[in-house]
Amino acid sequence: DGGITQSPKYLFRKEGQNVTLSCEQNLNHDAMYWYRQDPGQGLRLIYYSQIVNDFQKGDIAEGYSVSREKKESFPLTVTSAQKNPTAFYLCASSILPRVRQPQHFGDGTRLSIL
Amino acid sequence: AQKVTQAQTEISVVEKEDVTLDCVYETRDTTYYLFWYKQPPSGELVFLIRRNSFDEQNEISGRYSWNFQKSTSSFNFTITASQVVDSAVYFCAPDMDTGRRALTFGSGTRLQVQP
Repeated sequence: DGGITQSPKYLFRKEGQNVTLSCEQNLNHDAMYWYRQDPGQGLRLIYYSQIVNDFQKGDIAEGYSVSREKKESFPLTVTSAQKNPTAFYLCASSILPRVRQPQHFGDGTRLSIL
Repeated sequence: AQKVTQAQTEISVVEKEDVTLDCVYETRDTTYYLFWYKQPPSGELVFLIRRNSFDEQNEISGRYSWNFQKSTSSFNFTITASQVVDSAVYFCAPDMDTGRRALTFGSGTRLQVQP
């Protein structure tokens, strides 16, 4: 079945450590997104990519980095510079035609500090 | 700047009651799309509906219906005869024509349907 796979489901980060969240899609979608969700809040955009080898900062990119070397993969690294990384991270993808298509979401990764 | 307001933080109803979730947005764009997503306790976001700013016709899909009023910048969502499985957080998310093509999410409304 086509979809978006995020791994791991739960992740723990130690002080000063970088961690990488995986996001893979087999929907052949052009665009991919990373969102952060804090308890009781909506989703905020971290990074997005509309094409391979290109990505753009979202609203809260500081302390995060991404790469888009393959169409189906968009990993997110939470660096040690992100001082408050505890949150639920959601990856999404969509087609980019002229008409806006809905974004499809993965099941999320819950990141906590040890 | 784009802004989305879901004023109802949490709503609790008894099964079979109708419930309306409000969404008000601010935009200077004339062309945009509006989405509603559902987030059940498991965490994933499930797409419910997409509307464009050209079409103000209300839509019904089973127990779900949507009321889009461009003049008041509102896009409200009604669940008729609610069920326990409807318990989730619901997000309104406009996709403005900014070229960024990323959603702006409201803070969500948590719906609890009691048996």
